[in-house]
Amino acid sequence: QVQLVQSGAEVRKPGASVKVSCKASGDTFTNKHIHWVRQAPGQGLEWLGIIRASDSSTLYAQNFQGRVTVTRDASTNTAYMELTSLRSDDTAAYYCVTEVPDTYYFEYWGLGTLVTVSS
Amino acid sequence: QSALTQPASVSGSPGQSITISCAGTRYDIGGHQHVSWYQQHPGKAPKVIIFDVSNRPSGVSNRFSGSKSGNTASLTISGLQPEDEADYYCCSYRTSGAYLFASGTRVTVL
Repeated sequence: QVQLVQSGAEVRKPGASVKVSCKASGDTFTNKHIHWVRQAPGQGLEWLGIIRASDSSTLYAQNFQGRVTVTRDASTNTAYMELTSLRSDDTAAYYCVTEVPDTYYFEYWGLGTLVTVSS
Repeated sequence: QSALTQPASVSGSPGQSITISCAGTRYDIGGHQHVSWYQQHPGKAPKVIIFDVSNRPSGVSNRFSGSKSGNTASLTISGLQPEDEADYYCCSYRTSGAYLFASGTRVTVL
């Protein structure tokens, strides 16, 4: 069973960038897709993007095109999500999530990283 | 892209059955079988309870069941129990390759 350990809470000013990490333990996630999902305080879930297992190709939600970048480092079993040009409404918990390729659902979730954007 | 549509809240008494609907379009729910449902308790990460419309992962109670008709998916919780009180989200794969969540339903056990 994969356990996903995410980096700690971050505080940023509007216009800045943030990079959140997600390290797998207990099992490799080399052969799993990695998704990023966020949840603003008291709000619902929002899908940001995916980095695929096979070729590390990416696809991002239309709302985040140009602002989000997802990467992975197989040597350290770690995935990253970077969000730029932060706004106050980017304040949210950011989750990394695994998917076994071609199953189309979110299997294991990290505990989330709270990113607060405030001047 | 608009979110899928769920009722904001549903309630029921212990032992009753409740159903949560999730309305989409032919580009998501209506286009394939890749609809999943997630349960989220306060302060916790979501957990998958249904995938591919009606399949349960190992370890998920058979009191949870899913179905789909046209562009609308549904989650039914039978024999409602206090621990079922949580937020529930449906999610659909889209023909574009992206994923779309609904706004979520708060289930209250009376």
